Amino acid sequence: GDSVTQMEGPVTLSEEAFLTINCTYTATGYPSLFWYVQYPGEGLQLLLKATKADDKGSNKGFEATYRKETTSFHLEKGSVQVSDSAVYFCALSRGGADGLTFGKGTHLIIQP
Amino acid sequence: GAVVSQHPSWVICKSGTSVKIECRSLDFQATTMFWYRQFPKQSLMLMATSNEGSKATYEQGVEKDKFLINHASLTLSTLTVTSAHPEDSSFYICSARDPGGPYEQFFGPGTRLTVL
Repeated sequence: GDSVTQMEGPVTLSEEAFLTINCTYTATGYPSLFWYVQYPGEGLQLLLKATKADDKGSNKGFEATYRKETTSFHLEKGSVQVSDSAVYFCALSRGGADGLTFGKGTHLIIQP
Repeated sequence: GAVVSQHPSWVICKSGTSVKIECRSLDFQATTMFWYRQFPKQSLMLMATSNEGSKATYEQGVEKDKFLINHASLTLSTLTVTSAHPEDSSFYICSARDPGGPYEQFFGPGTRLTVL
């Protein structure tokens, strides 16, 4: 079946550091890929998405490119802020009627 | 943005009792809602897909008689954990699909269930 693997945390960085959170997937066909973020005490929020190979999703300074050849969707940000501290989930979906398959989540801690 | 609420946010019950969790889309109509379960430090696992006016579709390994799902209207889906046991203790999260967009799901804040 489908699966998503992402680096487990916690990942601790200093403010203004470069961020990469790795995510790889296993799925047949051409799933859509997502990054969700969960801030403390809040529900999951969609951060960015990509629906086909080579698409780049971006939002709030975060970026991720759908790489079919490496089955990856790594999340990057050039300069993190303390407010980026949260849990980040990589996920895939086969279509609008389907639920999401999530990775285990990466806890990101940004220190001032 | 679209808002999904869940009620209650947390519940404690005795073993053998049933607990109902509500999931509401507050500002849009959701023909499809999803129920997930999250164990501590683990991923969200899809339990079932709830479609308005029809029976829910359960993922493999999820007991239909244990987790009853009813999607009675376009803004409300309920999950009832029947005859709850301590192993049912978990964080339950619902999401609703925005029919205006093919892929995006909006998530509720979750419900923490503790069965004593």
